[in-house]
Amino acid sequence: GAVVSQHPSRVICKSGTSVKIECRSLDFQATTMFWYRQFPKQSLMLMATSNEGSKATYEQGVEKDKFLINHASLTLSTLTVTSAHPEDSSFYICSAKRSATIGYTFGSGTRLTVV
Amino acid sequence: SQQGEEDPQALSIQEGENATMNCSYKTSINNLQWYRQNSGRGLVHLILIRSNEREKHSGRLRVTLDTSKKSSSLLITASRAADTASYFCATDERGGGGADGLTFGKGTHLIIQP
Repeated sequence: GAVVSQHPSRVICKSGTSVKIECRSLDFQATTMFWYRQFPKQSLMLMATSNEGSKATYEQGVEKDKFLINHASLTLSTLTVTSAHPEDSSFYICSAKRSATIGYTFGSGTRLTVV
Repeated sequence: SQQGEEDPQALSIQEGENATMNCSYKTSINNLQWYRQNSGRGLVHLILIRSNEREKHSGRLRVTLDTSKKSSSLLITASRAADTASYFCATDERGGGGADGLTFGKGTHLIIQP
């Protein structure tokens, strides 16, 4: 079945530094990937849609200069949290849709802690 | 934006009992999906029901969809301790071209007491 690999699973970084999260589709090509954020005890909120070969589409209220998305190939999308602050600490999850008739596959998520 | 509303927010039942969770949404949809999330982990896709379907079964899971009321329910029969998790509904909105991502409900935290 479709597998999406997300790395790292956990990361701790200092305030002001940048963190890159990778999302790979392992057995299929994903022209579109999605990035979600989940705060503790809350639901998932869509942050942005990552499009292969073009600019990402950001949801309202999500700073595109802070959350840089690169989708340079059909199997890899990256999310870089720039100049991270403690309030950016969250669980970030990516997903990909294999086709119009198959549901979404999610990565295992990345727990980001900014200290 | 958040469009799904789920109830209850938390549910605690005894092992062997059935668990029912409800979800409401606001816009027209292509399909509605249910996911499970164990604490601090990724999401596991449980079941997808299309907008032209009314009921779907998968093992111990039964999902209903009422598009006139914009609501769905997830029934887990003969619950097990391993079913303890958070359950989310998510909608794939109509007209999104299949590339707009999912809109998640707030989730129901289910606890199965052994």
